[in-house]
Amino acid sequence: GDSVTQMEGPVTLSEEAFLTINCTYTATGYPSLFWYVQYPGEGLQLLLKATKADDKGSNKGFEATYRKETTSFHLEKGSVQVSDSAVYFCALRSSGAGSYQLTFGKGTKLSVIP
Amino acid sequence: EAGVTQFPSHSVIEKGQTVTLRCDPISGHDNLYWYRRVMGKEIKFLLHFVKESKQDESGMPNNRFLAERTGGTYSTLKVQPAELEDSGVYFCASSQDGGSFYNEQFFGPGTRLTVL
Repeated sequence: GDSVTQMEGPVTLSEEAFLTINCTYTATGYPSLFWYVQYPGEGLQLLLKATKADDKGSNKGFEATYRKETTSFHLEKGSVQVSDSAVYFCALRSSGAGSYQLTFGKGTKLSVIP
Repeated sequence: EAGVTQFPSHSVIEKGQTVTLRCDPISGHDNLYWYRRVMGKEIKFLLHFVKESKQDESGMPNNRFLAERTGGTYSTLKVQPAELEDSGVYFCASSQDGGSFYNEQFFGPGTRLTVL
């Protein structure tokens, strides 16, 4: 079945540091890929997405590129801020007909210190 | 526009008791999903409603879990009787048009369930 593996946290960075959170997936066909973020006390929010190979999703300074050859969708940001402290979830949705469920990784907690 | 809301935000019950979680989706969203995150593990899909019909309930762990969506508006998820392993955070999400492959699912803040 489908699965998502993301780097274990927690990750602690200083403000303005470079961020990478690794995410790899296993799925048949051509899934859509997502990064969700959960800020303290809030629900999951869609951060960015990519629906086909070589697509780059971007939002709020975050980027991730859909790499089919390496089955990866790593999240990057060039300069993190304290407000980026949150839990980040990598997810996929299968390309199968009638398939709407999301498959998530375990989440990576990011703490950014001033 | 109000987002997805869930009630209660926290629930602490004893093993063997019954708990009912509620989810109010975004108005006009026909698709409603339940997910669960057990501590330290992935967020797992439980089921998917289209209006009042269960489209996919392949993720429901066992028959102690009953989900309903009467009238196609809000949904409830009942756990009866609760077991220790049911502890976790239960998320609800909704989307406008499940038929669109790219349609975004909007999540609620979750209900944290603790079974003692």
